[in-house]
Amino acid sequence: DVKVTQSSRYLVKRTGEKVFLECVQDMDHENMFWYRQDPGLGLRLIYFSYDVKMKEKGDIPEGYSVSREKKERFSLILESASTNQTSMYLCASSFSRTSGNEQFFGPGTRLTVL
Amino acid sequence: AQSVAQPEDQVNVAEGNPLTVKCTYSVSGNPYLFWYVQYPNRGLQFLLKYITGDNLVKGSYGFEAEFNKSQTSFHLKKPSALVSDSALYFCAVRDRGYSTLTFGKGTMLLVSP
Repeated sequence: DVKVTQSSRYLVKRTGEKVFLECVQDMDHENMFWYRQDPGLGLRLIYFSYDVKMKEKGDIPEGYSVSREKKERFSLILESASTNQTSMYLCASSFSRTSGNEQFFGPGTRLTVL
Repeated sequence: AQSVAQPEDQVNVAEGNPLTVKCTYSVSGNPYLFWYVQYPNRGLQFLLKYITGDNLVKGSYGFEAEFNKSQTSFHLKKPSALVSDSALYFCAVRDRGYSTLTFGKGTMLLVSP
């Protein structure tokens, strides 16, 4: 079974702090994604990556950056956390972008910014 | 552009009754369509997908979905609901010319005993 793990289930940070959210997948997937989930808004794509050291902006990249130094690891970085970044963050991975492969999700990190 | 709509925020059904969770989509080409389920404080779990072929797709936990190209719909169904089916359900679409999924806003399914 594919396993996608996220470094924290719950995180509380203060405004202005730099925040790192880590995601690791164990199935040698090419693609990795970061979403945020907010009530009534569904899932919105922040950033994604098709390969090591490669990244693409999603629908809402402002205030975020990412890093993919190794194929299995995809990090989301909040350079200076703000209260409007309080949300559930979900990481996902998939095998290939050129076919109908489903995405596999991690358990999520619920981030609260005070 | 690609988009997906889940017209119901919440669906209520009694245990043992059939359930339907609605999804309509818009793409410029041919779609890949997906259903996911999310239990409280958990990530999303894949239920089923339509890629090509038979319009009726069967998935996990007794769920199925029917791809209807003329109505651009991909409704999720189950013949007999269980209380344990209560969860948040997401429909997602990817146009074959696109690289990423677009998710609907989700439908909360509540199954009463």
